[in-house]
Amino acid sequence: AQSVTQLDSQVPVFEEAPVELRCNYSSSVSVYLFWYVQYPNQGLQLLLKYLSGSTLVKGINGFEAEFNKSQTSFHLRKPSVHISDTAEYFCAVSGNFNKFYFGSGTKLNVKP
Amino acid sequence: DTGVSQDPRHKITKRGQNVTFRCDPISEHNRLYWYRQTLGQGPEFLTYFQNEAQLEKSRLLSDRFSAERPKGSFSTLEIQRTEQGDSAMYLCASSREEGAGGYTFGSGTRLTVV
Repeated sequence: AQSVTQLDSQVPVFEEAPVELRCNYSSSVSVYLFWYVQYPNQGLQLLLKYLSGSTLVKGINGFEAEFNKSQTSFHLRKPSVHISDTAEYFCAVSGNFNKFYFGSGTKLNVKP
Repeated sequence: DTGVSQDPRHKITKRGQNVTFRCDPISEHNRLYWYRQTLGQGPEFLTYFQNEAQLEKSRLLSDRFSAERPKGSFSTLEIQRTEQGDSAMYLCASSREEGAGGYTFGSGTRLTVV
């Protein structure tokens, strides 16, 4: 089985500042990694995914993440955040795409 | 591509009543998934279908829960004899068979059991 830990439940940041949302995973098999964003009262939207190849993956809205196998991490970064990035972000892991294991989420609060 | 549709968006029910939710996936997606999200938590897997076949069920899916996907199109999730602990957001998602593209989620059905 797999599991995901998102250590930061809330991250406050000022507009135009950089941000990093941390994600660590545990798995006994090779996994695929995903970041999703959830706006209030909405479903989850895929931000980016790591399946194979380059460990630095770029997603929508200027986000990127780096897969680090030795540290079992997949941290999400954005060099300059906007107010509209305020949302909850979920890291997820899957071994076979049949089901995903999600972390408990990180609420990003961008302040003006 | 009209996305994944879920109905209703909100449901308030009294404890002990039965409820049914519907999910319409993206038409060309043959996989359909149900997840449950409680307050402050990430989504938890409940079950998934490939076409009309239900291939896996979580232990979270007690015998009060049943999901169907007749004809491999829309799906329903029924909860019988609801309990307050069933209050949650029920999310439906769909994907192509290989799933590598990630899921497309619906907006969810928020269930409140009073």
